[in-house]
Amino acid sequence: EIVLTQSPGTLSLSPGERATLSCRASQSVSSNYVAWYQQKPGQAPRLLVYGASNRATGIPDRFSGSGSGTDFTLTISRLEPEDFAVYFCQQYGSSPRTFGQGTKVEIK
Amino acid sequence: QLQLQESGPGLVKPSETLSLTCTVSGGSISSSGYYWGWIRQPPGKGLEWIGSIYYSGSMYYNPSLKSRVTISLDTPKNQFSLKLSSVIAADTAIYYCASEYSSSSEFDYWGQGILVTVSS
Repeated sequence: EIVLTQSPGTLSLSPGERATLSCRASQSVSSNYVAWYQQKPGQAPRLLVYGASNRATGIPDRFSGSGSGTDFTLTISRLEPEDFAVYFCQQYGSSPRTFGQGTKVEIK
Repeated sequence: QLQLQESGPGLVKPSETLSLTCTVSGGSISSSGYYWGWIRQPPGKGLEWIGSIYYSGSMYYNPSLKSRVTISLDTPKNQFSLKLSSVIAADTAIYYCASEYSSSSEFDYWGQGILVTVSS
């Protein structure tokens, strides 16, 4: 089973700042099959990025994903008020599908 | 655009079987290539994939839950379901159903989730 470790656990930033979220895998993820999701309180996760770097339909271009192998990053170039939420990475290159423990982006 | 909606009891007694249904609209669960999955999230915690079923009926499960999980399709009703047997308090979670458009795919559409509490 691939274990995903996200860092930091909490990121305290102000609107307009840049957010950089990390997701490290315990072994290489096949075909860089990594997705990122955003979750707000009381809501289901929403797909942001798939295949490590492809934005999902309707996702603003301030969200970008990068990385390969075992190290992946989600960057939010300029935080908007609606971006403060919890973000999860997920790998789907092998079974079982696994998720990181999440990074909370909070308002500083 | 697919829409998914979970339904079922919100309270299950320990040692009993948790049963949930996911109703799909905006598309057919018989669509070639599609997988239909269940994910859960204990309150305030992270996400855990439970298992998925292919449109043809073949299934694959998380080994940590495999012995207690059954996922099935109801094609005429455009639904798929989850059964988790011998539940304990640690199975208390929000249960989500979601779609995957292939065997190596992210979860692209999600239901809103249903909280299931295991308690006597």
